[in-house]
Amino acid sequence: DGGITQSPKYLFRKEGQNVTLSCEQNLNHDAMYWYRQDPGQGLRLIYYSQIVNDFQKGDIAEGYSVSREKKESFPLTVTSAQKNPTAFYLCASSMIQGAAYEQYFGPGTRLTVT
Amino acid sequence: GEDVEQSLFLSVREGDSSVINCTYTDSSSTYLYWYKQEPGAGLQLLTYIFSNMDMKQDQRLTVLLNKKDKHLSLRIADTQTGDSAIYFCAETLLYSSASKIIFGSGTRLSIRP
Repeated sequence: DGGITQSPKYLFRKEGQNVTLSCEQNLNHDAMYWYRQDPGQGLRLIYYSQIVNDFQKGDIAEGYSVSREKKESFPLTVTSAQKNPTAFYLCASSMIQGAAYEQYFGPGTRLTVT
Repeated sequence: GEDVEQSLFLSVREGDSSVINCTYTDSSSTYLYWYKQEPGAGLQLLTYIFSNMDMKQDQRLTVLLNKKDKHLSLRIADTQTGDSAIYFCAETLLYSSASKIIFGSGTRLSIRP
């Protein structure tokens, strides 16, 4: 089955620790995205990548880092510099060339930092 | 500017129609989308409309686009309990060869018996 997987579904960390969230897709999509979702708010774009070994900052990149060494994988590291890391993180992918640039979403990872 | 706005909550009776509204600000939008998010899950694309269309119908879903007023709506006919979810309106903006999707804050639809 083609799709996007994110792991783990729930993640708990102590304040001051870096943590890496996994995102893998087997849809052969060129572009991948990371969003953060907070209660009562829409999705805010953290980073996106349109091609391997290249990525761009989104609207709220501070305190986060990414890598895109393989087309299928786009891990997100939440660093200790991120002031409010507790949130629901969603990964998505899309074809660059496509009828509607539809983004396919993973199931999300809920990160809690105490 | 880039902004997509939606009301946060909507409550309808089971069997009635639900109408979720959205306004956007960027007239260069090419595609507009409706996504559905069930509790604890990712977003699922419900439907989309190209900016040169006025209406799109897909089974119980009807999307209306008023470009002059920059207003998008999603009508769900015969609303069922399984339609309870958060619905996100989104627009695609094109910047040269890149694209960016802007999401609204989501409308939480609840169904009354």
